[in-house]
Parts: sequence; structure tokens; C-alpha cells
Amino acid sequence: AQKVTQAQTEISVVEKEDVTLDCVYETRDTTYYLFWYKQPPSGELVFLIRRNSFDEQNEISGRYSWNFQKSTSSFNFTITASQVVDSAVYFCALSQEQAGTALIFGKGTTLSVSS
Amino acid sequence: DARVTQTPRHKVTEMGQEVTMRCQPILGHNTVFWYRQTMMQGLELLAYFRNRAPLDDSGMPKDRFSAEMPDATLATLKIQPSEPRDSAVYFCASGLVPDGRSKGYEQYFGPGTRLTVT
Repeated sequence: AQKVTQAQTEISVVEKEDVTLDCVYETRDTTYYLFWYKQPPSGELVFLIRRNSFDEQNEISGRYSWNFQKSTSSFNFTITASQVVDSAVYFCALSQEQAGTALIFGKGTTLSVSS
Repeated sequence: DARVTQTPRHKVTEMGQEVTMRCQPILGHNTVFWYRQTMMQGLELLAYFRNRAPLDDSGMPKDRFSAEMPDATLATLKIQPSEPRDSAVYFCASGLVPDGRSKGYEQYFGPGTRLTVT
């Protein structure tokens, strides 16, 4: 079975704090893809990153970084020096190698950043 | 700036009425998805198309929901008759699958249609 678990339902931080959002996945496939999406209060889903299962290099994009560890089936997302604009719901998602498979989403983590 | 567009953005209707939601995928994308978001279930797949052909609609209540792609620039999701439990945000997403293989492509989402059935 395929599953994505985001154990943190809500996180509250103060601006400039670093925050890590956890994501644990389950899949039997050897080739799969992991994603993070952001859903700000306006409601749209914004693509942030895609990671292939065969590439375990961590990635950094500005204040965002992602830590992919196959050994623990985790794909965690860290925001450094958080800002109020980072307040949103963040979703981790999984898709598999088979052509055309859809995204399996976690339940999301609501991040609130206060000034 | 290519985007997925959805209409209407909001829809309030009475139980039993037909609802049609429309989606224009990003030009050139060959795969279109319909997802539904509710507080209880989160984001769940309803159906998706590749090159306008339906590939999977197992997430859709078939007795009342139908999804079609009349052409490459339009996808529709219909509910007939609508019920209060259909109240949700319906998202359309599109992506480009190269050479018929997945290779983990990104899906780009529209702004959603917020449906309220009273």
C-alpha cells in the first residue's frame, strides 16, 4: 500500500525561527517520486519540489531545504529563518513509476508564522 | 505565465441540481487530473486523463459523477444530482508526461472550485 504520513498537524513559530516539516512515506515500488506542495490561505496548490527515489542528494533553494532519506522513508522539509509569508498548509505527496499515476497526498501540516 | 484555469471559482447550489466544473489545462500538457479536497478526507484523486483518454476514475462515485475531455483544452467534471456531501474544493491539475512514461512529472494545480451544496 502507498501512504504518506505527516504527523505534525499544526506548527506555530515566530518569525526567523527555523522549522522542519516531517514526511514519512510507504511504498513497495523501487522507483517513486516525492513532492512538496504549499497551499497558502488563498487556496491554490503551489508546487515546490520533486525528488526521485534514486537521487538522495539533499536540495537547497533559498530558505528552503529538503532532506531525503530512503533508509527511514522520510522526506523532510526545512524552512530557515521563517517569515510570515510562509504561513500555509504544506503537503507532502508520493507518486510511483507507473505511467500516469496520480499523487497520493499526506494530510498536510499547517504552519503559522507570527511576527 | 502558463496556468491551469478553473471555472467557476465558487458555486452554491441546492441538493439535486446538476453542477458542471470546467478546467483548462496548461497548453501542451497531456495529462489532466481531478482532485477533491475536504477537511475529513484531505486531497483525494477522483479521475485522470492522458491524451484525453480516461485512465482512472476509480475515485469517483460513478452513479453521480462524470468526467470528460471534449478536447485538449477543456476538461469537465459533472455532478448530477448533487448532494450536500459533495461540498468540497475541486482541483484540476495538469502535467506533461514525456514519451508515455511517468518519470515523476510535476502536476500544476488550478485555483479550485469551491462547491457548496445546500
